[in-house]
Amino acid sequence: EAGVAQSPRYKIIEKRQSVAFWCNPISGHATLYWYQQILGQGPKLLIQFQNNGVVDDSQLPKDRFSAERLKGVDSTLKIQPAKLEDSAVYLCASSGRTGDLETQYFGPGTRLLVL
Amino acid sequence: DQQVKQNSPSLSVQEGRISILNCDYTNSMFDYFLWYKKYPAEGPTFLISISSIKDKNEDGRFTVFLNKSAKHLSLHIVPSQPGDSAVYFCAASGGGASGSRLTFGEGTQLTVNP
Repeated sequence: EAGVAQSPRYKIIEKRQSVAFWCNPISGHATLYWYQQILGQGPKLLIQFQNNGVVDDSQLPKDRFSAERLKGVDSTLKIQPAKLEDSAVYLCASSGRTGDLETQYFGPGTRLLVL
Repeated sequence: DQQVKQNSPSLSVQEGRISILNCDYTNSMFDYFLWYKKYPAEGPTFLISISSIKDKNEDGRFTVFLNKSAKHLSLHIVPSQPGDSAVYFCAASGGGASGSRLTFGEGTQLTVNP
């Protein structure tokens, strides 16, 4: 079974630029999560999708971050414009059962550096 | 407001000995706790969990202990192996195993020396 795929793996941009990350979850997984992990901290949930609907986006900075999951499969997370404090690893995870915490499978992440 | 804290950024143990990783939480609404393991350049992987109705859960070399009155949990690895060297995250949720979002601690880097 293929795991969660993410691209790009690394991205360097200057502040005020825009950036987008892509995630392809495990086939058949209805629930998709985006996390932000700042260096020295644990992952923080940004947004959770159930199929193509948003379940929880309470911690998403909506003035600059947006995410979509068209057709309930792949997802993109966008930052526009980026700030220095957005430098982090962005992790995507998927789960086959709604809210099942033990079966969240994480992708390798996209490491973003904002200069 | 750091609701889940892992106060030891790093831990080093000898192969074959016990590794004990600690985690404290402040939110009394948390009722489900999980440990994740993370290797470099990979995402976290689920290791073991415990519900607040239990005080111990064991899976092979890994045991998690929960002390609700102290709002403290610990992960014991016995015996430790070099392949256990990784970052370990403690996470908590309110709402059971199918509950709300996970709140993670900062992580502890475990190094097991041969």
